[in-house]
Amino acid sequence: GESVGLHLPTLSVQEGDNSIINCAYSNSASDYFIWYKQESGKGPQFIIDIRSNMDKRQGQRVTVLLNKTVKHLSLQIAATQPGDSAVYFCAENGSAGGTSYGKLTFGQGTILTVHP
Amino acid sequence: GAGVSQSPRYKVAKRGQDVALRCDPISGHVSLFWYQQALGQGPEFLTYFQNEAQLDKSGLPSDRFFAERPEGSVSTLKIQRTQQEDSAVYLCASSLEYWGTQTGELFFGEGSRLTVL
Repeated sequence: GESVGLHLPTLSVQEGDNSIINCAYSNSASDYFIWYKQESGKGPQFIIDIRSNMDKRQGQRVTVLLNKTVKHLSLQIAATQPGDSAVYFCAENGSAGGTSYGKLTFGQGTILTVHP
Repeated sequence: GAGVSQSPRYKVAKRGQDVALRCDPISGHVSLFWYQQALGQGPEFLTYFQNEAQLDKSGLPSDRFFAERPEGSVSTLKIQRTQQEDSAVYLCASSLEYWGTQTGELFFGEGSRLTVL
């Protein structure tokens, strides 16, 4: 669901489960989307990206799905591990008119907690 | 260096003081970005440099914020007459790709946490 300010959406899973983190974006001009992982006290770390001409992209243990019709992005993490615990942000490049990879608009984030 | 380095990691300033935050990007990276991250929020774009040229500063919140990258490597973000609402983590990121590239990876530093009392 939605959250405001400090109340980030949270997802708690058991080690070994699959995790799905969702994100809604608003700018139809966005043509590049990225998922970042941010651990406490650290900067965001790139996980996986996808361009708007694709609807699915797979990496190692992660899959990103893009539904442009409803402006929805999801990150699937297979066999979630305790080391996956972090805040996950989706980001889009629509603020640059879809012309640059680097001027990103980040979502608010989802806290993922993985229990051993 | 191996990654993007930022200093200081933590800075406490009294309201009205000036602060300077430093970023050492990954060697050879032409693009450098500054983002601001308030507590519990995602990062927000502040400004972008391609080498020494500041190509976009549309995200700087006020004229109290100033950034420079005079030799196309190290960058400094300066905040004059700090206010409590400036309290945030200031993230620097660098990239090999140029501004107009459609895809590319940003490498973020660990950030400088500014607290204004």
